Amino acid sequence: GAGVSQSPRYKVAKRGQDVALRCDPISGHVSLFWYQQALGQGPEFLTYFQNEAQLDKSGLPSDRFFAERPEGSVSTLKIQRTQQEDSAVYLCASSLDRNEQFFGPGTRLTVL
Amino acid sequence: KQEVTQIPAALSVPEGENLVLNCSFTDSAIYNLQWFRQDPGKGLTSLLLIQSSQREQTSGRLNASLDKSSGRSTLYIAASQPGDSATYLCAVDAQGGSEKLVFGKGTKLTVNP
Repeated sequence: GAGVSQSPRYKVAKRGQDVALRCDPISGHVSLFWYQQALGQGPEFLTYFQNEAQLDKSGLPSDRFFAERPEGSVSTLKIQRTQQEDSAVYLCASSLDRNEQFFGPGTRLTVL
Repeated sequence: KQEVTQIPAALSVPEGENLVLNCSFTDSAIYNLQWFRQDPGKGLTSLLLIQSSQREQTSGRLNASLDKSSGRSTLYIAASQPGDSATYLCAVDAQGGSEKLVFGKGTKLTVNP
């Protein structure tokens, strides 16, 4: 399809495990964003890329969170040594030239 | 720090009613404002984008207005339908280098048949 895709859609991890979440943006979209959404809350910004450059990572909650977009297309959000408070829906969005942001379906992460 | 508030948190209306959802933001220096809907367990669907130089945008039965100086936006839904039931989120893109969106907590709308 032509939209933003994310995988996996659901991930269950044991506390302490590392996880990797993938985002495929809309083809040609320069900007890519990661957000975290807790239950009943609005999404909260994590980090932002323009092409392969990570321009803003001010929302990453700890150094256990790491994101990359090495070729300016697909992005991966990695969480090391997962904790229960990391349980949330992780949303990816992309946009062209500071315009509308288009969101993927999200990855629901549950840490046991 | 930019903060976005949405009132009411939840709204239940009978089918056919016109309704207004409210969004306010604390810092008027925004680049644009975007309204989304979110269905349970799903991602966000973009409804309308209003750039800071604009005052309103319309799409079908939806009309969004922006009063940047007072830090307010409204989303008007005409002739509501059960299929409009969802959570509606407002978000602002602050001026400056980062294009990040700051979201409100949303308004959960239920349209009863």
